[in-house]
Amino acid sequence: GAVVSQHPSRVICKSGTSVKIECRSLDFQATTMFWYRQFPKQSLMLMATSNEGSKATYEQGVEKDKFLINHASLTLSTLTVTSAHPEDSSVYICSPSGGAGEQYFGPGTRLTVT
Amino acid sequence: KNQVEQSPQSLIILEGKNCTLQCNYTVSPFSNLRWYKQDTGRGPVSLTIMTFSENTKSNGRYTATLDADTKQSSLHITASQLSDSASYICVVSARYGQNFVFGPGTRLSVLP
Repeated sequence: GAVVSQHPSRVICKSGTSVKIECRSLDFQATTMFWYRQFPKQSLMLMATSNEGSKATYEQGVEKDKFLINHASLTLSTLTVTSAHPEDSSVYICSPSGGAGEQYFGPGTRLTVT
Repeated sequence: KNQVEQSPQSLIILEGKNCTLQCNYTVSPFSNLRWYKQDTGRGPVSLTIMTFSENTKSNGRYTATLDADTKQSSLHITASQLSDSASYICVVSARYGQNFVFGPGTRLSVLP
């Protein structure tokens, strides 16, 4: 399978600050990037879908101005959580997908907002 | 509505025992079904991927079955190990698009 990395793996930030999460697909060209978040003991919840070079499509209830997604290249996508609040504390997981429908997952970034 | 259900919600077994996890789906038109293992705080790792024409697929001690007629799948774990403790997620993909529907997962705990 493809190698997908996320940075940072864990981050603790104060309420009101912004956090950027990077997702890199090291040996795979991600034409589509899915961003999920996962609260404890719950399944993954899709936040948004982005195609390389295009604006992301957000799921209902996900604020696009709060969760900024950039998918500028086939190997890098970023998710920025702006003005983070404690309720944004979660594990954020990126999932690159190629044109053939294959899908891989990053290891996740655990965000804790204090 | 495309849905994926999994049972049981959680399962506790002793090391060395076998277990079977179930997945039922209503996703249509069906493209493929995947089983993932997810350790706590980590991203899911693919175990098996099956298309419409495949009835069974193995990956080491993991064996997945698929009945596309009844829209059911199972994941059988043989000779469980402590490291098998994780959540197992069934994901069904619809054809003609990248529409992945996630099941809620089964939380497996293997005890010594």
